Amino acid sequence: GENVEQHPSTLSVQEGDSAVIKCTYSDSASNYFPWYKQELGKRPQLIIDIRSNVGEKKDQRIAVTLNKTAKHFSLHITETQPEDSAVYFCAASIRGGSQGNLIFGKGTKLSVKP
Amino acid sequence: GAGVSQSPSNKVTEKGKDVELRCDPISGHTALYWYRQSLGQGLEFLIYFQGNSAPDKSGLPSDRFSAERTGGSVSTLTIQRTQQEDSAVYLCASSFRRGEKLFFGSGTQLSVL
Repeated sequence: GENVEQHPSTLSVQEGDSAVIKCTYSDSASNYFPWYKQELGKRPQLIIDIRSNVGEKKDQRIAVTLNKTAKHFSLHITETQPEDSAVYFCAASIRGGSQGNLIFGKGTKLSVKP
Repeated sequence: GAGVSQSPSNKVTEKGKDVELRCDPISGHTALYWYRQSLGQGLEFLIYFQGNSAPDKSGLPSDRFSAERTGGSVSTLTIQRTQQEDSAVYLCASSFRRGEKLFFGSGTQLSVL
């Protein structure tokens, strides 16, 4: 079946550094790629998403890039702050309707050290 | 309400008992999802409802798990004869359009003793 692979599973950075999380997907028809942030003990929340007709999208300190040829997309966080510490999940839309048309990666635990 | 509401927020039960978890999605959202999240783990898909279509039950781990959605709104996830391995956070999410911009509830923390 279709899947989404997410790397790394854990990431530790110093405050002020950049963090990059990468996901690869298998369904060539995938056209929607959201990222969710889950703080400890909280619900996942959508932080940014991108569609296949664009290669990059930015929102303040976060950005997502998409390479459709290579079937991977990445989350970039610049000038990291302690409040960026959380688990980040990528996801990709899939055709066929299974799982509600969305497959999640297994998550990346980001720790930002002050 | 303004968001996805789940109840109870915490449920402690004894092994072998049945439990019911409730999800009230955002008004107007036709898609509703249930996920299970074990401690420190990812989002395990359980079941998906879209409007009046037959649900996608492909993620339910055993026949002890079932879910229904009444009137295209509120959903109930039922776990029969609970086992200790059922202990987890059960998250519900809804979206206006299938697969896009999911809004999650705060979850039900289920503990089976």
